[in-house]
Amino acid sequence: DTAVSQTPKYLVTQMGNDKSIKCEQNLGHDTMYWYKQDSKKFLKIMFSYNNKELIINETVPNRFSPKSPDKAHLNLHINSLELGDSAVYFCASSHGQNYGYTFGSGTRLTVV
Amino acid sequence: GNSVTQMEGPVTLSEEAFLTINCTYTATGYPSLFWYVQYPGEGLQLLLKATKADDKGSNKGFEATYRKETTSFHLEKGSVQVSDSAVYFCALSDPPRGQNFVFGPGTRLSVLP
Repeated sequence: DTAVSQTPKYLVTQMGNDKSIKCEQNLGHDTMYWYKQDSKKFLKIMFSYNNKELIINETVPNRFSPKSPDKAHLNLHINSLELGDSAVYFCASSHGQNYGYTFGSGTRLTVV
Repeated sequence: GNSVTQMEGPVTLSEEAFLTINCTYTATGYPSLFWYVQYPGEGLQLLLKATKADDKGSNKGFEATYRKETTSFHLEKGSVQVSDSAVYFCALSDPPRGQNFVFGPGTRLSVLP
């Protein structure tokens, strides 16, 4: 199946832990993104990579670090997790912005 | 900067009712406009798009027309179904000016049988 796939789908962890979320797309898109969706469904962009290069880095804590080993993968590593990090994180990719984004199904992170 | 405003939800309708979800935008250039839908527990899916003024995007019975004069891109459907219950996001993209996707806050639609 052609898609954007994220793992894990659910992640429950304790405060202070370090965790990673993986994202892979097989659509041949050049650009990948990470979005955070809060409990009110508001979407906020976090990072954008184009051909493995960081092009957008919004104001997020430096505990969040994206890693793009190749243009088909964009992983998100989070250090020292806090309660406020609880949200749904979406990966997305695009061929060009006029074509719209293809989203993954999301990772629901719960920090306890 | 660019922005997108949507009508506040939740919107609750009976099956077969007519749906309108208003969306207006602010942009310095000529953006492309999109509607995305998020079903419960899922990611966002592109529903329809329009890339220039007066274009009409349509899909699954939904449609929206790019109105430059009113800077609007309202989503409509003539007869909603229970399966249309979801959160709908209006979005714009203005790449020539380096603007990334801008999403509206989302409008939750509940359709009752």
